[in-house]
Amino acid sequence: KAGVTQTPRYLIKTRGQQVTLSCSPISGHRSVSWYQQTPGQGLQFLFEYFSETQRNKGNFPGRFSGRQFSNSRSEMNVSTLELGDSALYLCASSQRTSTDTQYFGPGTRLTVL
Amino acid sequence: AQRVTQPEKLLSVFKGAPVELKCNYSYSGSPELFWYVQYSRQRLQLLLRHISRESIKGFTADLNKGETSFHLKKPFAQEEDSAMYYCALSGIYNQGGKLIFGQGTELSVKP
Repeated sequence: KAGVTQTPRYLIKTRGQQVTLSCSPISGHRSVSWYQQTPGQGLQFLFEYFSETQRNKGNFPGRFSGRQFSNSRSEMNVSTLELGDSALYLCASSQRTSTDTQYFGPGTRLTVL
Repeated sequence: AQRVTQPEKLLSVFKGAPVELKCNYSYSGSPELFWYVQYSRQRLQLLLRHISRESIKGFTADLNKGETSFHLKKPFAQEEDSAMYYCALSGIYNQGGKLIFGQGTELSVKP
């Protein structure tokens, strides 16, 4: 099976702009989770979608949002970008539950100038 | 509060030496514990999970509920073990796919 794919791999934006990141899960996986990885804060959970519904949400401001489509592909959006949003954004997919193995994508490196 | 603590940012050992990467957790419930590994220029991947009780690449980890620990061990380190290791926690009865990660430990195995 093809692994989790994320597009684009790199993004450079300026403060105040918005950005949309995309994630295609492994075929048959219905759960998609998003994480932010920074040197200071490490890996932090953003949110998780299952069957087009947000099932879990981390402690991030409302500028961070996401959605999932009927084919399980997911997008996350960050509006009004801030310098502190510069990070590696990882997407992970799993079959169904929290105890199923999560498979990670390569990440999207977002730089905010 | 749910938390995973990896006290060592960097662990450096010589090839053939034993390795122990520490992980302590705080969770009010029944946790599922994982170790994820990220080799240089590769994506994050699952190394092992406590519920499967497997030994992967010579690594083992035992869940100690009394000490709330899930330390990762290997009796003889190899150079190819050099990587970032993350301990992670999920709730068994959570429906959602939410992992709480520790800050990670960089393992460096010297020849």
